[in-house]
Amino acid sequence: RKEVEQDPGPFNVPEGATVAFNCTYSNSASQSFFWYRQDCRKEPKLLMSVYSSGNEDGRFTAQLNRASQYISLLIRDSKLSDSATYLCVVNQAGTALIFGKGTTLSVSS
Amino acid sequence: EPEVTQTPSHQVTQMGQEVILRCVPISNHLYFYWYRQILGQKVEFLVSFYNNEISEKSEIFDDQFSVERPDGSNFTLKIRSTKLEDSAMYFCASSGVRGAYNEQFFGPGTRLTVL
Repeated sequence: RKEVEQDPGPFNVPEGATVAFNCTYSNSASQSFFWYRQDCRKEPKLLMSVYSSGNEDGRFTAQLNRASQYISLLIRDSKLSDSATYLCVVNQAGTALIFGKGTTLSVSS
Repeated sequence: EPEVTQTPSHQVTQMGQEVILRCVPISNHLYFYWYRQILGQKVEFLVSFYNNEISEKSEIFDDQFSVERPDGSNFTLKIRSTKLEDSAMYFCASSGVRGAYNEQFFGPGTRLTVL
């Protein structure tokens, strides 16, 4: 069973659209949760941490459902610059980050 | 803004050769990590390092791999005898704290090509 699963996409949306990504994780002992963004052949960059109460950062909203072991990311008013791969990431008991394979977003004008 | 740096950006080597990948973590960070990403695949954890010793490692991090912090700023990953399947992007990361919400910041990576 994969540890972190994401729909690979690609999601192709027009500018201004709202798009949602989902992620599930298998280890119920996971302690912290993140969304990273990765541009082609670049390093992962932290987009936001995901808190139990849900959190928002501008156009980005993240939700966590521990009972369902489910994490989501909502992007409102998509921009061309949002085109990237979005990585769902969990931290279990130790120091290692466990990455999903990522969901690719392409925003077009 | 402080950032993690890595050198070289691209390393080409022959199978069986030793390579050393170098990283300079963010200066006030205490925890250091190596990850790798084979082309088209997910980012995979290799090892974490704190207080001059390995704190956690994955099954990928076998006896061919070693890490070192030779001075106050550098953090290195050595692969003793490279194999073709070691070809990947290697990312160094650092964080200031451990435990929940240890937000890790990644360097730009070293692309290793083993021929």
